Amino acid sequence: DAKTTQPPSMDCAEGRAANLPCNHSTISGNEYVYWYRQIHSQGPQYIIHGLKNNETNEMASLIITEDRKSSTLILPHATLRDTAVYYCIVNAGGTSYGKLTFGQGTILTVHP
Amino acid sequence: DGGITQSPKYLFRKEGQNVTLSCEQNLNHDAMYWYRQDPGQGLRLIYYSQIVNDFQKGDIAEGYSVSREKKESFPLTVTSAQKNPTAFYLCASSKMWGATDTQYFGPGTRLTVL
Repeated sequence: DAKTTQPPSMDCAEGRAANLPCNHSTISGNEYVYWYRQIHSQGPQYIIHGLKNNETNEMASLIITEDRKSSTLILPHATLRDTAVYYCIVNAGGTSYGKLTFGQGTILTVHP
Repeated sequence: DGGITQSPKYLFRKEGQNVTLSCEQNLNHDAMYWYRQDPGQGLRLIYYSQIVNDFQKGDIAEGYSVSREKKESFPLTVTSAQKNPTAFYLCASSKMWGATDTQYFGPGTRLTVL
């Protein structure tokens, strides 16, 4: 699986957009980019995923660069409840098919 | 409501005892997973099951065992052979085994060995 690099922590003001970057420079053509988040002491929650095109759902937007070496998760109007650890994951095929590898993620703190 | 349940939420055991963590899903998902999380760390895959009556070792299977006799159930046994069992255990499921499939997680069980 390709490795990902995320900043260990970020801050965001409530009501503003939170832009969380992820570097995955060794990503291969068949790997998807997934984002999950984990609120303290709870199970992770799926947010969004994509392959090449930008994606948007009710929770967030995912912007993937044209070379696919990096991506950005955008929470358009962050609230205090968005404070969590955000994980960027790339998922390979072959023997790792279906397996998610969670790194240490980015701790996002949304403040009033 | 459809979802994944794990019980109990908190579990204490004495060193040397085996303990079984429950995981049940009513999502009609084929694939199920067990992860372990240590403080300040990401999740590590213990075991996974692509379909009923089948399961495979993940990255850290030593000291753990599982069964998958029913589609909706995937219990994890932490045996006395597991050297550092104190951790947060998370169960997940997905509709099928595959790179495009979202995993849904349960609330977790926090195991403490006394």
